[in-house]
Amino acid sequence: DTGVTQSPTHLIKTRGQQVTLRCSPISGHKSVSWYQQVLGQGPQFIFQYYEKEERGRGNFPDRFSARQFPNYSSELNVNALLLGDSALYLCASSYGTSNQPQHFGDGTRLSIL
Amino acid sequence: QKEVEQNSGPLSVPEGAIASLNCTYSDRGSQSFFWYRQYSGKSPELIMSIYSNGDKEDGRFTAQLNKASQYVSLLIRDSQPSDSATYLCAVSAGGTSYGKLTFGQGTILTVHP
Repeated sequence: DTGVTQSPTHLIKTRGQQVTLRCSPISGHKSVSWYQQVLGQGPQFIFQYYEKEERGRGNFPDRFSARQFPNYSSELNVNALLLGDSALYLCASSYGTSNQPQHFGDGTRLSIL
Repeated sequence: QKEVEQNSGPLSVPEGAIASLNCTYSDRGSQSFFWYRQYSGKSPELIMSIYSNGDKEDGRFTAQLNKASQYVSLLIRDSQPSDSATYLCAVSAGGTSYGKLTFGQGTILTVHP
């Protein structure tokens, strides 16, 4: 089975720009979650989507938004990029219930200049 | 108090020894507990999940959960150099928290020959 796929793998942007990251879940998984991981820390929860609806939001500013499509793939958008947004952005998918393990993609490494 | 705390590292063990990784959490309503392994520059990889008190064994890995003490641990028997990585403890509150995983800061494990 194909795992969680994310694109692009690397991205370099400048302050003030906007970025869109993409994620395709494991086949059969209906839930997608997004996490931000800065160097030396554990991942921080940004959003969770299930059946195209937002089911959870972490402590991130409104510059961060996301959506899920009918095929369960997802996009994470970040506007007005700041230097502090430089991080590894991880997408994780699960079948759906809160107790189900989440499986991560390889991530998108975002660098802000 | 951090929501999820892991024993401070780095942890260094000789090849063949038992590595013990510990994690405490603050939310008594937490229902699901996971251990992820993350190699440098890679994304987290799920290695164990545990939901009820007691031990759960999978190969060389044993996860232990004590909800009364709000404590979860991971034992790695017969440690190998390939086990050298950062180990992340993740906790899910379940219920309306859906897919939000709260991670600890990670413990760096080095297994030396």
